[in-house]
Amino acid sequence: AQSVTQPDIHITVSEGASLELRCNYSYGATPYLFWYVQSPGQGLQLLLKYFSGDTLVQGIKGFEAEFKRSQSSFNLRKPSVHWSDAAEYFCAVGGYSSASKIIFGSGTRLSIRP
Amino acid sequence: DAEITQSPRHKITETGRQVTLACHQTWNHNNMFWYRQDLGHGLRLIHYSYGVQDTNKGEVSDGYSVSRSNTEDLPLTLESAASSQTSVYFCASSERGDRDEQFFGPGTRLTVL
Repeated sequence: AQSVTQPDIHITVSEGASLELRCNYSYGATPYLFWYVQSPGQGLQLLLKYFSGDTLVQGIKGFEAEFKRSQSSFNLRKPSVHWSDAAEYFCAVGGYSSASKIIFGSGTRLSIRP
Repeated sequence: DAEITQSPRHKITETGRQVTLACHQTWNHNNMFWYRQDLGHGLRLIHYSYGVQDTNKGEVSDGYSVSRSNTEDLPLTLESAASSQTSVYFCASSERGDRDEQFFGPGTRLTVL
């Protein structure tokens, strides 16, 4: 069965510092991988997605993620965070066999220290 | 601009009452989904639909039902609300296929007393 693990429940980083949010997945076939962001009181917005090809994916708001098949990981990175990046981040996995359904991780809450 | 809306945004109800949460999308998407979001669980799929007259159960479907009579709407009904159904509910839609981004509504916060 497919699953997604986000091992960090809450992370705090200083403004201007680099960020890496971890995501590990389990999927029996080639996965489709997504990162979504949820600002307080809002719905989820797609940051980036990976289907195939280049394993380093660029997204919106200066985020990127790297797919590492050998580690079953899809970590999200940003070189310099801004106070507006404070939000909840969700990793998700889907694929051809999932028939348009995706499984979400439990989320990582990001706080920014001034 | 196309969008996905949910109503009401906040709802307080009593145990045993029937509640219906509305979801309306103007993307003309075939796929629609209902999730609930609870602390520590992320988003869990309740029901989903691939088109008109099509509905399917997700991983936490007990106590919930949906119907799809047109492309735009997928209302979620709680037949007899329970305190365990206190949660934030999100509706989402996608065009077709596995690679398509899901677009989310703003959510409905439901409290069952």
